[in-house]
Amino acid sequence: NAGVTQTPKFRVLKTGQSMTLLCAQDMNHEYMYWYRQDPGMGLRLIHYSVGEGTTAKGEVPDGYNVSRLKKQNFLLGLESAAPSQTSVYFCASSYRSSVGTDTQYFGPGTRLTVL
Amino acid sequence: GNSVTQMEGPVTLSEEAFLTINCTYTATGYPSLFWYVQYPGEGLQLLLKATKADDKGSNKGFEATYRKETTSFHLEKGSVQVSDSAVYFCALSGSSNTGGFKTIFGAGTRLFVKA
Repeated sequence: NAGVTQTPKFRVLKTGQSMTLLCAQDMNHEYMYWYRQDPGMGLRLIHYSVGEGTTAKGEVPDGYNVSRLKKQNFLLGLESAAPSQTSVYFCASSYRSSVGTDTQYFGPGTRLTVL
Repeated sequence: GNSVTQMEGPVTLSEEAFLTINCTYTATGYPSLFWYVQYPGEGLQLLLKATKADDKGSNKGFEATYRKETTSFHLEKGSVQVSDSAVYFCALSGSSNTGGFKTIFGAGTRLFVKA
């Protein structure tokens, strides 16, 4: 099992450019998440999905869009990149136990710089 | 709403020293509590968890006890090693205002262990 994989690992964009980050998981998890990690701010949830074809906004959704066309994939899009979107982006997936625990499995991250 | 507060870092210790990283939470209902660890250049991975009051989670010599009376989940290790140098995140998974469950992460505590 590869677990959760993310592509690309690094990317540099100019302001106004667009890009898509790809997340894939092979654990048959229903739930998938996109976070951004900034120094001193921990992890902030951007968008999440509770199943194929469904998405929902998290804490900081502005400037991002997502799609979950297949259960194993969760795409994060930046339509017009801004320097404030310079960050490390993590994808995660999870199962849901009968008591509602929510252990998340994380990818290795994508480091994005917007100039 | 739910929240997690953990001690600010960085924490610098010598090898074989005792480690405590404090974590307190605010939540409605009965959340599950987690510690995740992030090694340099990697994504987060689950270190340990506890799903009900008085449960003790343990892994790799780390322990944390779910204390409902003090709303705490402090991480401890009796003798740290250089390889324990990482960022540690306390997290809570509980019911959200909009239904279902959501995970909230603390800001993270960076640990440096000197040889």
